[in-house]
Amino acid sequence: QKEVEQDPGPLSVPEGAIVSLNCTYSNSAFQYFMWYRQYSRKGPELLMYTYSSGNKEDGRFTAQVDKSSKYISLFIRDSQPSDSATYLCAIRKSSGDKLTFGTGTRLAVRP
Amino acid sequence: EAQVTQNPRYLITVTGKKLTVTCSQNMNHEYMSWYRQDPGLGLRQIYYSMNVEVTDKGDVPEGYKVSRKEKRNFPLILESPSPNQTSLYFCASTLVAGGRSPLHFGNGTRLTVT
Repeated sequence: QKEVEQDPGPLSVPEGAIVSLNCTYSNSAFQYFMWYRQYSRKGPELLMYTYSSGNKEDGRFTAQVDKSSKYISLFIRDSQPSDSATYLCAIRKSSGDKLTFGTGTRLAVRP
Repeated sequence: EAQVTQNPRYLITVTGKKLTVTCSQNMNHEYMSWYRQDPGLGLRQIYYSMNVEVTDKGDVPEGYKVSRKEKRNFPLILESPSPNQTSLYFCASTLVAGGRSPLHFGNGTRLTVT
C-alpha cells in the first residue's frame, strides 16, 4: 500500500467552478501536509502548507486536513484557466523527515 | 532572481554513456535533493544533502551518484545509464530540511536513455 494515494485525473471543469482535490494517506504519524502546483514543463511550487488538522485559507484556495479520516483536500473557488496544472499533495511525519508526494491530479479549467 | 537552475533541460543518450546533470541554487540553501518523476509513480527522492559534504540515499538511489563539494551545487551523476533511468528529473533545495521551509524546484531535466 502506498503511503499516500491521489486520483490522477484528469479533472476538467468549467471556469468559475469549485474544484475539490483530495489525497488519502495510510499512516497516522503524518503531521505536515502540503499542496504543490506544477505547471507543464515546470517544477512544482508550494501552494499551501498545513500543520496537523484543520483548515487554512489563502485567497481562492483552502486546504483541509482531517486526521481522523487520514484525508486531505484542496478546494479552489472560482477556478480560472490559469489554475490548469497538476496538483501534488505532499506529507511529512516530523519536522526533519522527508517529504512523501502523491502522484498528482491533473486539472484543466475550461474558459 | 532566487532560483534553482538545472542543465540540460533535455538530454538523449545511449546506454552506458556516463552523464552529469548539473544543479545550482543561489539562495544559500543548506538542503538539496534530487527527484525523479514518472507517470503513476509521482516524485521519488533519489539522493539528498543536508549540507556540504553530507549526502544520503533517498528512496531510489540505485544507479545514481551525487556530490556536494560546494553549498550551491549538487550534480547528479549517472555512471552507466540504462533505459529504466529514462525519466523527468528535478533538483530541489530548501533553507533547512523539514518545517515550514518550502522546497524550491528547478524546471526539470527530461532524460531519455536508448
